[in-house]
Amino acid sequence: DAKTTQPNSMESNEEEPVHLPCNHSTISGTDYIHWYRQLPSQGPEYVIHGLTSNVNNRMASLAIAEDRKSSTLILHRATLRDAAVYYCILRYSGGYQKVTFGTGTKLQVIP
Amino acid sequence: DTGVSQDPRHKITKRGQNVTFRCDPISEHNRLYWYRQTLGQGPEFLTYFQNEAQLEKSRLLSDRFSAERPKGSFSTLEIQRTEQGDSAMYLCASSLVGRGGIGNQPQHFGDGTRLSIL
Repeated sequence: DAKTTQPNSMESNEEEPVHLPCNHSTISGTDYIHWYRQLPSQGPEYVIHGLTSNVNNRMASLAIAEDRKSSTLILHRATLRDAAVYYCILRYSGGYQKVTFGTGTKLQVIP
Repeated sequence: DTGVSQDPRHKITKRGQNVTFRCDPISEHNRLYWYRQTLGQGPEFLTYFQNEAQLEKSRLLSDRFSAERPKGSFSTLEIQRTEQGDSAMYLCASSLVGRGGIGNQPQHFGDGTRLSIL
């Protein structure tokens, strides 16, 4: 499985931008980069995904490095509700392959 | 949007008992996934269905575990002769088939069933 590496934890002040990094040096050309977040006692929630180009949606932006070996999830203005564990995973487009979630980044938002 | 529904939300049972969990995916989603999550860890893949066909099973899914998806709609996950190590959150997710292949489709998760073995 192609793996991802994320910092265990990060802190951000409320209403400031947050940049959550993810390394995926063994990514293949057909792997999509997905981000999910999980609040306590809830299932993971889809945030955003992309293949090569940067992506924006109402929740966040995804910046993908030119060599695709790393990506950054950008929360433009952190709120207390953004405090969660954020997972960066790779999903193969050609068919189902086991997805490895890893332990993610625990984001703490400071009021 | 009704989302992915899982039942029950919590299950407490004695070691050695059998348990069954149900997952109702988003209605038009033909792919369904089961994951297990223990405290402090990310979800671990257990098995995957496309319509009613079970296409992939993890080695984590021992002989005591069985999953079904009759008629390609809801799915059940059964654990027989439960053990202490089965205590975990069991998550279900569903997704669509679409352009760009399976990797281009987000998974939508339910809030899970938390299993506690006494």
